[in-house]
Amino acid sequence: DGGITQSPKYLFRKEGQNVTLSCEQNLNHDAMYWYRQDPGQGLRLIYYSQIVNDFQKGDIAEGYSVSREKKESFPLTVTSAQKNPTAFYLCASSLRQMNTEAFFGQGTRLTVV
Amino acid sequence: QKEVEQNSGPLSVPEGAIASLNCTYSDRGSQSFFWYRQYSGKSPELIMFIYSNGDKEDGRFTAQLNKASQYVSLLIRDSQPSDSATYLCAVNTDAGNMLTFGGGTRLMVKP
Repeated sequence: DGGITQSPKYLFRKEGQNVTLSCEQNLNHDAMYWYRQDPGQGLRLIYYSQIVNDFQKGDIAEGYSVSREKKESFPLTVTSAQKNPTAFYLCASSLRQMNTEAFFGQGTRLTVV
Repeated sequence: QKEVEQNSGPLSVPEGAIASLNCTYSDRGSQSFFWYRQYSGKSPELIMFIYSNGDKEDGRFTAQLNKASQYVSLLIRDSQPSDSATYLCAVNTDAGNMLTFGGGTRLMVKP
């Protein structure tokens, strides 16, 4: 089945550690996005990528890094520079066309312990 | 000014009433508009999309688009407690190359 898969579903990070969240899609979508969501809040864009080997910062990119070496994959690294990383992280993908929706993964809930 | 704006709510309506959710956008070149529903702790799911001015109906849901005034609305008729969720508006911007989301409106339907 086609879709977008995030892993892990739950992730715990110690203070000062870097962690990487995985996002894979087999929808042949060009564009991929990472969003952060805090409790009771909306989606905030961290990074997005429209083509392989290219990506742009969103509204809250500080403390995060991404790569886009393959069309199917867009991993997000939460670095130790991100001082408040506990949140729900959502990955999405879409075609780079008008009138097309974005599809979301199931999300990763990251907790700092 | 944010590109896509929504009132964060919560919007509280009684069961059976009409819930009206609004979204404004700044890019006049935007051509496609989407409404997503997100239950707490879950990922957003698409419920409606609209491309042309006017109304589009799907069951209890009606999307309304007014490009001249740059707003898009979602009406939910006969609201049910199961409709309680956060509703996200998304707009195709940057010549269709990406979707921009509003912050979402939390809807509470009280029995």
